[in-house]
Amino acid sequence: DSGVTQTPKHLITATGQRVTLRCSPRSGDLSVYWYQQSLDQGLQFLIQYYNGEERAKGNILERFSAQQFPDLHSELNLSSLELGDSALYFCATGPGQGATGELFFGEGSRLTVL
Amino acid sequence: SQQGEEDPQALSIQEGENATMNCSYKTSINNLQWYRQNSGRGLVHLILIRSNEREKHSGRLRVTLDTSKKSSSLLITASRAADTASYFCATDTYSTFIFGSGTRLSVKP
Repeated sequence: DSGVTQTPKHLITATGQRVTLRCSPRSGDLSVYWYQQSLDQGLQFLIQYYNGEERAKGNILERFSAQQFPDLHSELNLSSLELGDSALYFCATGPGQGATGELFFGEGSRLTVL
Repeated sequence: SQQGEEDPQALSIQEGENATMNCSYKTSINNLQWYRQNSGRGLVHLILIRSNEREKHSGRLRVTLDTSKKSSSLLITASRAADTASYFCATDTYSTFIFGSGTRLSVKP
């Protein structure tokens, strides 16, 4: 158990809808990273937060947004969903401001868009 | 775009054999890490090698780093069926972590 909790584990929705994925970090971790993994592919970096502030942005679509709350949990919002958004979405957390040490991954949220 | 590219994409070996996978990256790094992913599960950290290190060992794992060639390799010795998984390199780019495309390792008993 990594100590990182992601909910929901599975989500099935229709095109055009909006969903919110939630991540609770390990105790003490201030950094949250979001990654997207399409079927049998690598991990695409989406966005990183540190202590409530956005720190780095990757290939995140304009239809997607995220935030980190004062209690350090993070949410990834996906809107106007398309079939191609079907993927595993991972949250990873770490203690540092920049990229330091190792990342601890949640078990992911599997999104299916029909 | 992906920072790391891994080679081979897939590798199938017999139990007891060694498995070697390679990772190439594009920019300067602070360190490079290897992670393991069992099918559909979260990634688990295996080993970290800093940019000023050339080789590191952890149990049956051996990692090398050549910053002049911007490449790293992961060697798993005496493989076991339980080593079957996908393996990813991740580069710490001083601002975030970028993952490679992964190598799918299958170890047959």
